[in-house]
Amino acid sequence: DSGVTQTPKHLITATGQRVTLRCSPRSGDLSVYWYQQSLDQGLQFLIQYYNGEERAKGNILERFSAQQFPDLHSELNLSSLELGDSALYFCASSVAGAGEQYFGPGTRLTVT
Amino acid sequence: GQQLNQSPQSMFIQEGEDVSMNCTSSSIFNTWLWYKQEPGEGPVLLIALYKAGELTSNGRLTAQFGITRKDSFLNISASIPSDVGIYFCAASPTSGTYKYIFGTGTRLKVLA
Repeated sequence: DSGVTQTPKHLITATGQRVTLRCSPRSGDLSVYWYQQSLDQGLQFLIQYYNGEERAKGNILERFSAQQFPDLHSELNLSSLELGDSALYFCASSVAGAGEQYFGPGTRLTVT
Repeated sequence: GQQLNQSPQSMFIQEGEDVSMNCTSSSIFNTWLWYKQEPGEGPVLLIALYKAGELTSNGRLTAQFGITRKDSFLNISASIPSDVGIYFCAASPTSGTYKYIFGTGTRLKVLA
């Protein structure tokens, strides 16, 4: 158990809908990272927050957004969902802005 | 853009054999991380490397940060069935940066 929690574990929704994925980092970690992993693919970095502020952006679509709250938990919002958005979404956290990242168990999103 | 070439893509080995895999790039990196991922779960951090030439062990696993800073190697000695999974390398391009690039993974299957 990495100490990073993600909810929900599974999510099934229809095209055009909007969903919110939630992540709680390990106790004491200030950075949260979001990744997308499509079937049999590697991990694609989406976005990183550090202590409430956006720190780095990867290949995140404009339909996706994220935020980190004062209690350091983070939410990833996915809107106008398309079939191709079906994937595993992982959150990771680290103590500072760099260094070792610890991953949560992921949220499996299925768009039908 | 920066890419990590991870090889082999997949391998079948007999239980008890040693395994070697590597990640290479044309870019220079300051940090290398190695992860293992099992189906439907989040990646688990195995080893972190922070210095060129560094050799670090974690049980039967040994990883090295290449002296050129463009590559890293992971070795697993005396493989056992529970070593099955996908092994990912991840690298951070510059000091203090928060973005990691992930390799495409090495899928390991161990034959008992």
